[in-house]
Amino acid sequence: DSGVTQTPKHLITATGQRVTLRCSPRSGDLSVYWYQQSLDQGLQFLIQYYNGEERAKGNILERFSAQQFPDLHSELNLSSLELGDSALYFCASSAVGQYNSPLHFGNGTRLTVT
Amino acid sequence: DAKTTQPNSMESNEEEPVHLPCNHSTISGTDYIHWYRQLPSQGPEYVIHGLTSNVNNRMASLAIAEDRKSSTLILHRATLRDAAVYYCILSLHTGNQFYFGTGTSLTVIP
Repeated sequence: DSGVTQTPKHLITATGQRVTLRCSPRSGDLSVYWYQQSLDQGLQFLIQYYNGEERAKGNILERFSAQQFPDLHSELNLSSLELGDSALYFCASSAVGQYNSPLHFGNGTRLTVT
Repeated sequence: DAKTTQPNSMESNEEEPVHLPCNHSTISGTDYIHWYRQLPSQGPEYVIHGLTSNVNNRMASLAIAEDRKSSTLILHRATLRDAAVYYCILSLHTGNQFYFGTGTSLTVIP
């Protein structure tokens, strides 16, 4: 058990809808990362937060947004969903959000867009 | 994106050592080398990381070439539970992004 909790585990929704994925980091970790994993793209880095502030941005679409709250949990919001957004979404946390600090991943949220 | 090159797949017999190679010729002086593995239906799991010297922990050993352009993850005694996709990643000193490649799918044969 990595200590990172993601909810929900599964989500099925229709095209055009909006969903929110939630992540609780390991106790004491200040940084949260979001990744998308689809069959043909592998693990794609989306965005990183450190202590409530955005720190790094990857291949995140404009339809997607995220935030980290004062209690350090994070939410990833996906809107105007398309079939291609179907994927596994992983959250990871690290202690200080530095490049030499290991990531600890949750077990993901499987999003299916129909 | 920082590039690493790994074989798509490898096989190993159970209870034998496994050496998983990774090339990272574009590595810069302060980039760290990380290894993660992903078991089916789970999130990636941290295995080990290092900068220049070889590293050991309870899961594995990391051997880093002197010029740092390649590294090898060593599983000393493969078990069936080690069957997974192993990712070699560079974490860049210029940012906080960890870029995952396609990894090596390890099959352990009983």
